[in-house]
Amino acid sequence: EADIYQTPRYLVIGTGKKITLECSQTMGHDKMYWYQQDPGMELHLIHYSYGVNSTEKGDLSSESTVSRIRTEHFPLTLESARPSHTSQYLCASSRSGWVAGNTDTQYFGPGTRLTVL
Amino acid sequence: AQKVTQAQTEISVVEKEDVTLDCVYETRDTTYYLFWYKQPPSGELVFLIRRNSFDEQNEISGRYSWNFQKSTSSFNFTITASQVVDSAVYFCALSGYLKLTFGKGITLSVRP
Repeated sequence: EADIYQTPRYLVIGTGKKITLECSQTMGHDKMYWYQQDPGMELHLIHYSYGVNSTEKGDLSSESTVSRIRTEHFPLTLESARPSHTSQYLCASSRSGWVAGNTDTQYFGPGTRLTVL
Repeated sequence: AQKVTQAQTEISVVEKEDVTLDCVYETRDTTYYLFWYKQPPSGELVFLIRRNSFDEQNEISGRYSWNFQKSTSSFNFTITASQVVDSAVYFCALSGYLKLTFGKGITLSVRP
């Protein structure tokens, strides 16, 4: 069972505000990910991290930024929110490596539904 | 390049019917993993199963079963005797180096 947490679950905010979406996991996973998903649509990877001080951009370009100062924490920040940022943001984590018998199963948090007015 | 195709976009069934969700994948890797996730209306993604590319045995877990056929690059998911609680979006995914490639998802509606 995965232990990965996201806060807030719902956020309604005005245009131009700075926001940080929190994501924490207690499993000691090295890899963490952020996905963006519009309602009923596919998932798009926007950021990922291999470990502390490692961050990479995903397949979908995003104006958000991430940091990875601690293994368990992978926050996402929008410096100036816009209505186009309205979406659901899902955080995930997985163990590292391709050890025989192991796998890169990603475990997801409950998501943050962001609405920018 | 990796690709996952879920050709069915929406499926509607009546409770107790069996339903199969299709997944076709493309990869050049010789070692890979396949996954199914369930996303209920609450929004979180729930991990259902993973399958190693070297293991083509079918798997059954309660009302759920999975059919992996390497020859046709398919990893199909069957729900037997569907229930209203099975209503969700179901995603098939393929592992690559460090990342997962997801299909676009299938919306399953189970009517009472």
